[in-house]
Amino acid sequence: GQNIDQPTEMTATEGAIVQINCTYQTSGFNGLFWYQQHAGEAPTFLSYNVLDGLEEKGRFSSFLSRSKGYSYLLLKELQMKDSASYLCAVRGNTGGFKTIFGAGTRLFVKA
Amino acid sequence: EAQVTQNPRYLITVTGKKLTVTCSQNMNHEYMSWYRQDPGLGLRQIYYSMNVEVTDKGDVPEGYKVSRKEKRNFPLILESPSPNQTSLYFCASSTRDGGYTFGSGTRLTVV
Repeated sequence: GQNIDQPTEMTATEGAIVQINCTYQTSGFNGLFWYQQHAGEAPTFLSYNVLDGLEEKGRFSSFLSRSKGYSYLLLKELQMKDSASYLCAVRGNTGGFKTIFGAGTRLFVKA
Repeated sequence: EAQVTQNPRYLITVTGKKLTVTCSQNMNHEYMSWYRQDPGLGLRQIYYSMNVEVTDKGDVPEGYKVSRKEKRNFPLILESPSPNQTSLYFCASSTRDGGYTFGSGTRLTVV
């Protein structure tokens, strides 16, 4: 079956580093995505990994290991505005590139 | 401004009264999709479309219809809404290799 697992909630301190993990089992693979969603708003795209390794974009980095079915999102120099849900999503390579989402990780950043 | 526009933002309707939620994108994206988001369940894909006149079912298509007659538009139709379709709905579009751009969401209540 298809499944994406990520922790439900995490708490971290302003200025610190936090790593949000995601494991997946899907039929076919054509990329892994991370999105940020603030309460009451639409998700916004953060990162895309299709090959193994680390992709860095400012304070945010995303890592992928296809053989392990594993990804993480790394947030550095945490700010209060980073308090949000972080959604891991996988796009398949069959059936029209269907994309499934994990339930999301709610991150609370405290002062 | 590049965006996905969906309307209405909020809708309260009665069981059985047909409704349409419109979605339009101005980025010439091939790929469009509808998701519903429910607490604890995350984003679940309803239908997606790979291009004009090409659509396919997602994970929760029952009770919904879609059409893709033009590249920019992808309306979601509920022929006979029921209370279990009360949810937050998102339309999204992307290129084949890119992340989604989401609309602002439609909060639907069926009484």
